[in-house]
Amino acid sequence: QVQLVQSGAEVKQPGASVKVSCTAYGYVFTDYYIHWVRQAPGQGLEWMGWINPNSGGTHYAQNFQGRVTMTRVTSIRTVYVELNRLRSDDTAAYYCAREGSGNYEDVFDSWGQGTLVTVSS
Amino acid sequence: QAVLTQPSSLSASPGASASLTCTLRSGINVDTYRIYWYQQKPGSPPRFLLRYKSDSDKQQGSGVPSRFSGSKDASANAGILFISGLQSEDEGDYHCMIWHNSASVFGGGTKLTVL
Repeated sequence: QVQLVQSGAEVKQPGASVKVSCTAYGYVFTDYYIHWVRQAPGQGLEWMGWINPNSGGTHYAQNFQGRVTMTRVTSIRTVYVELNRLRSDDTAAYYCAREGSGNYEDVFDSWGQGTLVTVSS
Repeated sequence: QAVLTQPSSLSASPGASASLTCTLRSGINVDTYRIYWYQQKPGSPPRFLLRYKSDSDKQQGSGVPSRFSGSKDASANAGILFISGLQSEDEGDYHCMIWHNSASVFGGGTKLTVL
């Protein structure tokens, strides 16, 4: 059974950095891209970018370039997203999502449970 | 102007049907895009419902009932999620998405109330 398990909630001060993890279970970790999507309270979804767990290659959304880094450690089937220079409007639930393959190409077919990041002084 | 625009809310009665729209910004032609629909319930991550480009290019999510279907209204430049036989469990937020210029873009979401 495919499962993505994320790290716990974080509270950070403005200007700090946060690093959220996402550990994959139930499939071959290196065969599927992982995307990060965030959702501010009461708002819609916002895509942040993807990482290829096989090569480590990344592609970031324009809104986050220069402030976001996605990495992976294949030995523990885990990907990370780090966001720097946090602002109050970065307060959101951060989700990792697996991109499917075959008929589910370009589909986010499995999601983590979400990690709430609160930015407050 | 946002790339994708969704009405913020919609209400319908149990057993009725609902059409949720996702309007693409002028200059972005709905005919050339696959429209993705995700359902989200409070406190949970989104769930893939279906993808629709045409009747020959569509994909239902795993375990998603056939009463959820996709279509397009070319005259309105919009994708449509149609839900028939509404049930109380269909209440939630519905997000549309496209891949545009190698980036995933979501609409603002529609909150569907079944009452």
